[in-house]
Amino acid sequence: TQLLEQSPQFLSIQEGENLTVYCNSSSVFSSLQWYRQEPGEGPVLLVTVVTGGEVKKLKRLTFQFGDARKDSSLHITAAQPGDTGLYLCAGAHGNGNKLVFGAGTILRVKS
Amino acid sequence: DAGVIQSPRHEVTEMGQEVTLRCKPISGHDYLFWYRQTMMRGLELLIYFNNNVPIDDSGMPEDRFSAKMPNASFSTLKIQPSEPRDSAVYFCASTNRVRGNTIYFGEGSWLTVV
Repeated sequence: TQLLEQSPQFLSIQEGENLTVYCNSSSVFSSLQWYRQEPGEGPVLLVTVVTGGEVKKLKRLTFQFGDARKDSSLHITAAQPGDTGLYLCAGAHGNGNKLVFGAGTILRVKS
Repeated sequence: DAGVIQSPRHEVTEMGQEVTLRCKPISGHDYLFWYRQTMMRGLELLIYFNNNVPIDDSGMPEDRFSAKMPNASFSTLKIQPSEPRDSAVYFCASTNRVRGNTIYFGEGSWLTVV
């Protein structure tokens, strides 16, 4: 089993603060995805990164794929209460049908 | 467009009973996935289908678990007999690889086995 380790497990911050979530593995992935999941719902895809060193921005969210395609980070600028949720990274090998998910980071943004 | 539809949303059953979870993927999607999410193990892939054919069931925990996809618009995940350790949220997801790699998840079926 290829493991993806996410850190931190929990994060509670004030509105307006910045934060970074990390996703690390000893394995090389062909692509890596970040999802956000709210209570009672399924995960929703935020972004897919494919190329080593790739950086993608989605409004206040910045995603980076490590040069060696083994790790990734999610940075949120000026967090808002609406960012609260469970953030999951998922690594894929080959065609991406078998995703390996990290344990997730629970983010709470307080107003 | 309707998303992935799962039923039931919640089920409480007694140990030893048969449980059937149902999924209707997004129309036109040719891949269907069953995942299980628990606090201890996170989100795990159980099995996936391509064009209604099971491709990889290596994640199915035991013979008590079985999944079928009789047509492009319907799939079931069955547990028989159920055990308390099967308690989890079961997600169905689908995608169309030609149109892109976004996997769409349903809202999940929350199973409690007592």
